Amino acid sequence: AQSVTQPDIHITVSEGASLELRCNYSYGATPYLFWYVQSPGQGLQLLLKYFSGDTLVQGIKGFEAEFKRSQSSFNLRKPSVHWSDAAEYFCAVGHRGTSFQKLVFGTGTRLLVSP
Amino acid sequence: DAGVIQSPRHEVTEMGQEVTLRCKPISGHNSLFWYRQTMMRGLELLIYFNNNVPIDDSGMPEDRFSAKMPNASFSTLKIQPSEPRDSAVYFCASSFTGGAFGNTIYFGEGSWLTVV
Repeated sequence: AQSVTQPDIHITVSEGASLELRCNYSYGATPYLFWYVQSPGQGLQLLLKYFSGDTLVQGIKGFEAEFKRSQSSFNLRKPSVHWSDAAEYFCAVGHRGTSFQKLVFGTGTRLLVSP
Repeated sequence: DAGVIQSPRHEVTEMGQEVTLRCKPISGHNSLFWYRQTMMRGLELLIYFNNNVPIDDSGMPEDRFSAKMPNASFSTLKIQPSEPRDSAVYFCASSFTGGAFGNTIYFGEGSWLTVV
């Protein structure tokens, strides 16, 4: 069964600094990969997704993620963090096949942005 | 466009009471999901419907939980009787399943349930 690991529970970044959130997955083949963001009291918003093709994926709000098959990773990056990026970030893997819609989520990484 | 609409947004109820959470998926979507989010267990898929038919309910915790989708534009998640450990945020999500590529799942803003 697929699984997702987000090793960092909390990360604090200074405003304007770069950001990388780690995500490792376990899956027997090439998965569908997603990053979602959840602001306090809100639902989950899709930042970006990887299905196939270019392994560097661009998303909304200036985020990007790179799929590295050799490392089973799909890390999220942003070159310059804004205070409004403070939120919880979830990596998810979807199964390729008839039930690929069944996303498995990581436990999330809470991003704090310091002035 | 309207997103996934959930109601109520917040509910506080007493243990033993019946709780009904409602969801209106995005128009045109044919898959609907109910997720539960807690601090201890994170985001868990409870049940997944495709074309109004329950496909996978393996995540439903116990018989106290039931979900229905009587038509393409409405679903309910019912807890009867409710218990304090059911306190969580319940998310409804929808997507369009079809085509050669994967789909994107869109989430509602959640129903925040507190059982006292």
